[in-house]
Amino acid sequence: AQSVSQHNHHVILSEAASLELGCNYSYGGTVNLFWYVQYPGQHLQLLLKYFSGDPLVKGIKGFEAEFIKSKFSFNLRKPSVQWSDTAEYFCAAERSNDYKLSFGAGTTVTVRA
Amino acid sequence: DTGVSQDPRHKITKRGQNVTFRCDPISEHNRLYWYRQTLGQGPEFLTYFQNEAQLEKSRLLSDRFSAERPKGSFSTLEIQRTEQGDSAMYLCASRPPSRRSAEAFFGQGTRLTVV
Repeated sequence: AQSVSQHNHHVILSEAASLELGCNYSYGGTVNLFWYVQYPGQHLQLLLKYFSGDPLVKGIKGFEAEFIKSKFSFNLRKPSVQWSDTAEYFCAAERSNDYKLSFGAGTTVTVRA
Repeated sequence: DTGVSQDPRHKITKRGQNVTFRCDPISEHNRLYWYRQTLGQGPEFLTYFQNEAQLEKSRLLSDRFSAERPKGSFSTLEIQRTEQGDSAMYLCASRPPSRRSAEAFFGQGTRLTVV
């Protein structure tokens, strides 16, 4: 069974549109959660992370994510996307105090100018 | 520059040949991962080191794959008798000790093509 599920395979948006990418994980107990981004031709980079505390996490480039424990979800949002947000986005999760980081299949986001 | 270095960046090899990849993690990162990524998929866990100890190897990994991390510094991933299905991007990542709430830092990857 897949540990991390991303709902959207490919999302196409116009500039200034709002973005929300779904992510669900299947671990019980406490978890650490991450969103990574991979711009064309570049390495994976961290957008934001959640370990504990405020479930609304703010990351770089105007992205934020909300951890909803009851829904096992960690959805990524951005109110107004730019052409430069065109990239592949990966959700990742691990059990707290564990070492094994599991990734979702990724969502390709294409922003049209 | 992420600080995690991988070498080579690209490797083309004939089926049946052995290949070896190297990863140099960020210094003082005692945790090191190898992942494999194919087109349209997320990174798939291969193996994990804490210092020089290999703590887990994915059951998906055949016996043709082996990884080492001598002295807890750089790591190598070797694939013996390569097959076309081994073609993928091989990613290395490192992390600080677990007591720090830190993410994994990824290298640029080694793209393997088996012809």
